Amino acid sequence: KNQVEQSPQSLIILEGKNCTLQCNYTVSPFSNLRWYKQDTGRGPVSLTIMTFSENTKSNGRYTATLDADTKQSSLHITASQLSDSASYICVVSATNTGNQFYFGTGTSLTVIP
Amino acid sequence: DAGVIQSPRHEVTEMGQEVTLRCKPISGHDYLFWYRQTMMRGLELLIYFNNNVPIDDSGMPEDRFSAKMPNASFSTLKIQPSEPRDSAVYFCASSLALRRNEQFFGPGTRLTVL
Repeated sequence: KNQVEQSPQSLIILEGKNCTLQCNYTVSPFSNLRWYKQDTGRGPVSLTIMTFSENTKSNGRYTATLDADTKQSSLHITASQLSDSASYICVVSATNTGNQFYFGTGTSLTVIP
Repeated sequence: DAGVIQSPRHEVTEMGQEVTLRCKPISGHDYLFWYRQTMMRGLELLIYFNNNVPIDDSGMPEDRFSAKMPNASFSTLKIQPSEPRDSAVYFCASSLALRRNEQFFGPGTRLTVL
């Protein structure tokens, strides 16, 4: 069964600290993996898109890694800021007909001063 | 470009009424997606279009839901009749292509069915 699981479900960190969010998936055949940031009351915003051949991709203080062998991805946030408080959603696409999308339930991150 | 535009931003209706949600994608984007988000189920893809043609509607929950894209700049998601369990935030997104390209989301429509 194609699934995407994210951990932790929620996380509280102090401003300036680093953190890592996890995404494990069983989706096959794999097409790409996306990380989105969703602020409260707003639509998701894409952070990174990674294909099978990409191990690491950065977007400012956000760095995503992908291990296609173990079917794991992580999103590392460096020097967190209060504005990083949001929900982070992992989405994995499969290359079936129609290109299926599988969504994680998200990690809720709260950065406190 | 103003980004993806959705209307209304909030909709409150009574069970049994028809609800129509509207979306204007980013100009030049060939793909349009409709999503639903709830606390219980998270984000779900309902349907997506390529060049105004529905490609995959396997996420549409039941026959009460229908979506159309009469032209490249407009799409609707209709629920008839609406039920309380349809209460959710509905997002529209668009992208240049399907696989490698970023999807740009609208601000969403918060639907409450009483």
